[in-house]
Amino acid sequence: DTEVTQTPKHLVMGMTNKKSLKCEQHMGHRAMYWYKQKAKKPPELMFVYSYEKLSINESVPSRFSPECPNSSLLNLHLHALQPEDSALYLCASSQDPNGLYEQYFGPGTRLTVT
Amino acid sequence: KNEVEQSPQNLTAQEGEFITINCSYSVGISALHWLQQHPGGGIVSLFMLSSGKKKHGRLIATINIQEKHSSLHITASHPRDSAVYICVGGADGLTFGKGTHLIIQP
Repeated sequence: DTEVTQTPKHLVMGMTNKKSLKCEQHMGHRAMYWYKQKAKKPPELMFVYSYEKLSINESVPSRFSPECPNSSLLNLHLHALQPEDSALYLCASSQDPNGLYEQYFGPGTRLTVT
Repeated sequence: KNEVEQSPQNLTAQEGEFITINCSYSVGISALHWLQQHPGGGIVSLFMLSSGKKKHGRLIATINIQEKHSSLHITASHPRDSAVYICVGGADGLTFGKGTHLIIQP
């Protein structure tokens, strides 16, 4: 199984809502990533988890809160988002966090903040 | 800080043409990834290479470690190859290029 799954596919939320994005992989990968992608731009790294510990936080606002409950799951908790946070949120995994192994990407969650 | 420079930014070609996308990277990057993203689609990893050359179907990726340069070639291009191609440098993390928007016209 070389698949990374993400739910939901689409999410519309108001600025006062709390929601969560979920990501799952069963490839035994020890590194998991969250990216944000705006239209016509490359993905921007948000967070990296290495062996279930947060290893990189690219100065992401605290209204985004990642969580790695176990080695297969990655969540992104959203609270008090702004309309400019509307984007495609991508999850990825790889064997290690150093960029020396192939990354596998999920299909993404299209988030709209109203 | 690691850097990745990709060119061209945009490329339009006719079906059947040979396509080359280039990527230069800074000292410190030890692996180079090529990713593909179709419009409205997810991202697929095409190649990861740290030396030499890899081939998959009509796609070929090369890397020259001394010159810190990698190329992605597409032979006999087809409209379904229209996508954004992104090179990514790997070493203690990932550094993304800005992407090449490729359009293959029938």
